[in-house]
Amino acid sequence: EDQVTQSPEALRLQEGESSSLNCSYTVSGLRGLFWYRQDPGKGPEFLFTLYSAGEEKEKERLKATLTKKESFLHITAPKPEDSATYLCAVQAAGNTPLVFGKGTRLSVIA
Amino acid sequence: NAGVTQTPKFQVLKTGQSMTLQCAQDMNHNSMYWYRQDPGMGLRLIYYSASEGTTDKGEVPNGYNVSRLNKREFSLRLESAAPSQTSVYFCASKRTSGGNEQFFGPGTRLTVL
Repeated sequence: EDQVTQSPEALRLQEGESSSLNCSYTVSGLRGLFWYRQDPGKGPEFLFTLYSAGEEKEKERLKATLTKKESFLHITAPKPEDSATYLCAVQAAGNTPLVFGKGTRLSVIA
Repeated sequence: NAGVTQTPKFQVLKTGQSMTLQCAQDMNHNSMYWYRQDPGMGLRLIYYSASEGTTDKGEVPNGYNVSRLNKREFSLRLESAAPSQTSVYFCASKRTSGGNEQFFGPGTRLTVL
């Protein structure tokens, strides 16, 4: 069974304090790993797709990396507007539905 | 280009009532999905439609039915609502090629009393 575990459940950072969120996964043949951002009361917003170990993607203060067992979302010098829940999801080989983790709730304090 | 739209945004039902959640996308995507999101449970797939004319069960289909009305629209029906169906419901869509990411609607917050 495909599984996704995100840690920590919640993270509180001071503005400018860099950190990383973790997404561990087990899947039968990874087709893609996805990161989403979700603000309160809104739908998830797509951030990145990673396809193979060693791949990296960047967007502003966010950088996503992928190994064979986990992915990290690195946040460099975060700002209060980065506060949100970050979701990780995986897709197994074939056109199978995504399996989501429970998310990490990030709070960045000014 | 509105992306994925959902109606209504909020709904309160009494136990046993029925209702249909509507979803539409204007991105010409083939695949569409219905999820529910509950505190501590994450996003769970209810039903999906890989292409027009097909539907499949997801992780938590009991108590729900779906209709893929056409390529744009995918509705979710609760025939006899139960308090356990109190949740936030999200619709999503995905293109067939060029990327596997899903795009989500704004959600419907449903309360069943």
